[in-house]
Amino acid sequence: DGGITQSPKYLFRKEGQNVTLSCEQNLNHDAMYWYRQDPGQGLRLIYYSQIVNDFQKGDIAEGYSVSREKKESFPLTVTSAQKNPTAFYLCASSIDLIAGGEGNIQYFGAGTRLSVL
Amino acid sequence: ILNVEQSPQSLHVQEGDSTNFTCSFPSSNFYALHWYRWETAKSPEALFVMTLNGDEKKKGRISATLNTKEGYSYLYIKGSQPEDSATYLCAFNDYKLSFGAGTTVTVRA
Repeated sequence: DGGITQSPKYLFRKEGQNVTLSCEQNLNHDAMYWYRQDPGQGLRLIYYSQIVNDFQKGDIAEGYSVSREKKESFPLTVTSAQKNPTAFYLCASSIDLIAGGEGNIQYFGAGTRLSVL
Repeated sequence: ILNVEQSPQSLHVQEGDSTNFTCSFPSSNFYALHWYRWETAKSPEALFVMTLNGDEKKKGRISATLNTKEGYSYLYIKGSQPEDSATYLCAFNDYKLSFGAGTTVTVRA
């Protein structure tokens, strides 16, 4: 079955700790994205990647880092610089980044809920 | 960050009734508007991608219209069923997607 796999489902971070959220896709999509959801707000874009070894900051990139070493994988690291990391994180992919076409329909994972201990 | 607004935030519908709700977005630099359905404990799934002013799209009992000149889209659910209970997200597409906060629909049997 093709899809997006996020792990873990739940994650707890201690003060000053970096944590990494995993996102893997087997849809052969070029573009991948990370979003953050807070209560009462829309999904906000953290980082996105159009191709391997390339990624761009989204609207709320501060305190986060990503890598795109393989087409299938786009891990997100929540660093200690992110002072309010408690949120629900969604990873998504799309065929491409071209706006206006069905190629950038987003396919989402099931999400990771991050909490601070 | 683009301002994409959805209203109402939530609504309750009796089974069999029809309903609709709104997504408003900037009317400049428009490429597309996406609608997604997000059921509890599942991943968001795409319903429609709308690109042209006056577009109308339909999927089963769910349909959507688009007015790019005034910057709004309506989503309609005809004859609501309990399985239509979900949060419906719209997203304005310029070079990336900017999501609204969603309208949560609860269909009561």
